[in-house]
Amino acid sequence: DAGITQSPRHKVTETGTPVTLRCHQTENHRYMYWYRQDPGHGLRLIHYSYGVKDTDKGEVSDGYSVSRSKTEDFLLTLESATSSQTSVYFCAISEWDRAHTEAFFGQGTRLTVV
Amino acid sequence: DAKTTQPPSMDCAEGRAANLPCNHSTISGNEYVYWYRQIHSQGPQYIIHGLKNNETNEMASLIITEDRKSSTLILPHATLRDTAVYYCIVSPPMKTSYDKVIFGPGTSLSVIP
Repeated sequence: DAGITQSPRHKVTETGTPVTLRCHQTENHRYMYWYRQDPGHGLRLIHYSYGVKDTDKGEVSDGYSVSRSKTEDFLLTLESATSSQTSVYFCAISEWDRAHTEAFFGQGTRLTVV
Repeated sequence: DAKTTQPPSMDCAEGRAANLPCNHSTISGNEYVYWYRQIHSQGPQYIIHGLKNNETNEMASLIITEDRKSSTLILPHATLRDTAVYYCIVSPPMKTSYDKVIFGPGTSLSVIP
């Protein structure tokens, strides 16, 4: 299995508090992604990164920010958590120097905002 | 919106072949067909991909019609561990196009003992 670690795996937080989720990889892959998964919506891309300090918005980026100061770490921050951000969050990585590389996904972080 | 259409659910007897269909009638010339699956509570897992030729690997076979408007993922001998949601995705080569990848609702496959 690809070396991807998400932390924490579960978190309960209160509305209005900041939350940071961490994705750590040991594969030295260039691309990293944050998705959220909700019933009825499938997986939706929040933000992605194509290199250190290079990030871009995905489909559902409002209310989220990201940072990538090192190749191995991609952080997702909810500046002020809302109940609508209760979800399961998945990090994914992919390589860049092959034509059709699959993405490897982490085990997910279940976030509950109360 | 997802550019693919899949049945929401399917059943398959253990040991039999599971044939999962996918319609992608608006696929363009540079788009590939990718299949992923997601076992309950885990992250999605890559299965296979193809452009126009049939493909086979250790997990599955992918059959793409000549007009490329539909495809079928075949799990040759389904086991209980194959129970999962299967996603069919069309996309330009995923090397740099994950921002354009759309995971639709997929097909929930139940393998029955």
